[in-house]
Amino acid sequence: QSVLTQPPSVSGAPGQRVTISCTGSSSNIGAGYDVHWYQQLPGKAPKLLIYGNSNRPSGVPDRFSGSKSGTSASLAITGLQAEDEADYYCQSCDSSLSGSGVFGGGTKLTVL
Amino acid sequence: EVQLVQSGAEVKKPGESLKISCKGSGYRFTNYWIVWVRQMPGKGLEWMGIIYPGDSDTRYSPSFQGQVTISADKSISTAYLQWSSLKASDTAMYYCARLLGAIAAQQFDYWGQGTLVTVSS
Repeated sequence: QSVLTQPPSVSGAPGQRVTISCTGSSSNIGAGYDVHWYQQLPGKAPKLLIYGNSNRPSGVPDRFSGSKSGTSASLAITGLQAEDEADYYCQSCDSSLSGSGVFGGGTKLTVL
Repeated sequence: EVQLVQSGAEVKKPGESLKISCKGSGYRFTNYWIVWVRQMPGKGLEWMGIIYPGDSDTRYSPSFQGQVTISADKSISTAYLQWSSLKASDTAMYYCARLLGAIAAQQFDYWGQGTLVTVSS
């Protein structure tokens, strides 16, 4: 089991909005550590999608947004497009693991 | 342009040793932490450990402590991940990535292309 919990899968039709949750604990997200989100297209390396809870790197469309509250975070994708079909991972730091980074188990987004 | 270029795919037998590499370019290699991430077939990402090439300060996830060794040669801007005795369960894709900011930030802005390690008798 991953330290950060994500739903295994979500789906939505083109143009719709989907959200992906990431639930942690008082030793990671709840301790104030930032949450980041990565997109992994099939057969590719992960790509930074959201950093510092809600910031987008240059080149990431504003259809992607992130938020954090308490021990949880979420990624929202609006105006779904076929090319958004990918695996999405949340990530943070965990003080109970000698300060190691931790990833969520990943969420497979299917665009119907 | 920042790039992390990893060494090529490897096929090894159980018990063999292996060292894979990650070469950084386009930035000051000694100033950024490099992390190693495992992805087993069909599974998620796992944080293995991290090294600061400037002084070789290295931290390991408890899950990987003692199982692998992370090192770096700053003279050639290269980080390494090595095993002394591979197991079939080490079969996975391994990624290196650059940490932007402090270690607690855990934000990885550039990733290598991945190195596929297959361990089979």
